[in-house]
Amino acid sequence: GENVEQHPSTLSVQEGDSAVIKCTYSDSASNYFPWYKQELGKRPQLIIDIRSNVGEKKDQRIAVTLNKTAKHFSLHITETQPEDSAVYFCAVWDGYNKLIFGAGTRLAVHP
Amino acid sequence: DTAVSQTPKYLVTQMGNDKSIKCEQNLGHDTMYWYKQDSKKFLKIMFSYNNKELIINETVPNRFSPKSPDKAHLNLHINSLELGDSAVYFCASSQRSAGELFFGEGSRLTVL
Repeated sequence: GENVEQHPSTLSVQEGDSAVIKCTYSDSASNYFPWYKQELGKRPQLIIDIRSNVGEKKDQRIAVTLNKTAKHFSLHITETQPEDSAVYFCAVWDGYNKLIFGAGTRLAVHP
Repeated sequence: DTAVSQTPKYLVTQMGNDKSIKCEQNLGHDTMYWYKQDSKKFLKIMFSYNNKELIINETVPNRFSPKSPDKAHLNLHINSLELGDSAVYFCASSQRSAGELFFGEGSRLTVL
């Protein structure tokens, strides 16, 4: 079955810096790669996603890149702000019937 | 309007008891899910239903029994609760496979 690994588990940056979180997966049949943000005590919410026919997608300060050959994809947040502090989860659609989440990255943005 | 709502938000109970969590979505989605989030924040899928039919059961103990009376509702009943069942349980729905999941607010279950 699909295996999703996410790194780093914690990330601390200064406000204004960039943050990068990386995920690797194992099943080449996987074709959908979303990123979710979960603020403390809240539900996970989709922030950006990418499909296997696209290499990069941007939405304002966030971007996702996908390397299908190497089976990894990354979340990039530029000009980080304190409100970006949260747990970020990558996820992989296994190509059949379920979304498998990475273990999460706790991002702290310090003013 | 709440898109995915689940009740109760908090449950505190003794080991061995039985409890239920209810979930409803008003998004018109065909697929609903239960995820378990443990104390380390790991999100693990438990069940998935499509149009009231079970399509995923991720080797969850049979003390957990989901029920979908219609495609807008997915309930979770847990028998003989154990300490290890303590977690936040999230209901979610999606319009299609490989699409955005809309999560409920979560139900925090504490087993004493």
